[in-house]
Amino acid sequence: GDSVTQTEGQVTVSESKSLIINCTYSTTSIAYPNLFWYVRYPGEGLQLLLKVITAGQKGSSRGFEATYNKETTSFHLQKASVQESDSAVYYCALDTNAYKVIFGKGTHLHVLP
Amino acid sequence: EAAVTQSPRNKVAVTGGKVTLSCNQTNNHNNMYWYRQDTGHGLRLIHYSYGAGSTEKGDIPDGYKASRPSQENFSLILELATPSQTSVYFCASGAGQRLFFGHGTKLSVL
Repeated sequence: GDSVTQTEGQVTVSESKSLIINCTYSTTSIAYPNLFWYVRYPGEGLQLLLKVITAGQKGSSRGFEATYNKETTSFHLQKASVQESDSAVYYCALDTNAYKVIFGKGTHLHVLP
Repeated sequence: EAAVTQSPRNKVAVTGGKVTLSCNQTNNHNNMYWYRQDTGHGLRLIHYSYGAGSTEKGDIPDGYKASRPSQENFSLILELATPSQTSVYFCASGAGQRLFFGHGTKLSVL
């Protein structure tokens, strides 16, 4: 079946430093999946951060970027300079048939002031 | 902004009892989903639906039933609740490539 792997359960970064949160995926579909990053800020509901539906393309939002790499089946989330307000839980996700959406385990980002 | 409302927000149930979690969306989305979230597992898909009258099994459907009587409503039913079903449950609706989530239901089965 399909799966999404986030290797880090928690990441701690100092404010203004760069960030990368790893995400790799696996799918049995012959079609390339759509890829997403969702975020849950403290006290808020889960919401879409960015999405990329075409292999090779990059998505961006709120200073975050992620590039859809079909060769390495990866969709890592990056930010050049994090802020304390970026502290949240980030989930990588995919869908292959527009109905079933699969999430990774989530990465808790802790930004130190 | 799309709205997904879950009820109740918190629920305490006894082992062997029946539990129904409700979800209502005002987005007119065809697709709806039920996930559970547990530490170390992230969000896991229980059931989903692509329209009124349809329900499909997700990755962990055992012990759960789902019902989609209308476009707006999608329920998750635990006929015989067990302590292993203690978790936070999230409902979502979706159209195209974006999901909108409710705030979650915290279920404790004692």
